[in-house]
Amino acid sequence: DQQVKQNSPSLSVQEGRISILNCDYTNSMFDYFLWYKKYPAEGPTFLISISSIKDKNEDGRFTVFLNKSAKHLSLHIVPSQPGDSAVYFCAASYNNNDMRFGAGTRLTVKP
Amino acid sequence: DTGVSQDPRHKITKRGQNVTFRCDPISEHNRLYWYRQTLGQGPEFLTYFQNEAQLEKSRLLSDRFSAERPKGSFSTLEIQRTEQGDSAMYLCASSYQGIHSPLHFGNGTRLTVT
Repeated sequence: DQQVKQNSPSLSVQEGRISILNCDYTNSMFDYFLWYKKYPAEGPTFLISISSIKDKNEDGRFTVFLNKSAKHLSLHIVPSQPGDSAVYFCAASYNNNDMRFGAGTRLTVKP
Repeated sequence: DTGVSQDPRHKITKRGQNVTFRCDPISEHNRLYWYRQTLGQGPEFLTYFQNEAQLEKSRLLSDRFSAERPKGSFSTLEIQRTEQGDSAMYLCASSYQGIHSPLHFGNGTRLTVT
């Protein structure tokens, strides 16, 4: 059951521009949302999170936006850097239980 | 390095054989999770432990799979009578019990069943 969906398998942006990665979810019970970054041959690394009581969380170049009515969240990276090139996973959980992941979006930042 | 450690990194086995993987979580974390990831997909939940208690198992986890965390520290995941469809990356993660704690992943064990 695909409760967390990332509909764009890939995204390519120019260095210095904004990267916007999108994620949709179907379970309205989710109360905690996260973004993970994954490099080849490594496990996913936690990047940023947001609880359902907020609509925005910012950490340096990374900002996550949550739109509960649309069941949609997005990750903005500004400015994008070549080192940001990786696969990004959206994840969600409720009541501190197991976390569900999207299929990932491969971001390529071109110099 | 105090991150999540998984062993082995790679395992090649023949169909029908049993395999066992080990995970050592971050020492302060009392929750431990197992996920499976196949090509082009995100991590898929298998099971998780709080201390030594196994609290949840995915219905996708067949009876050939068993996980243990005997002393609430390291965990093992065993797959019996492996099938080619078991070929995947097996990821372990750990976290604090508290509300809204992110999972911290190891680098995974890649299983290839021939």
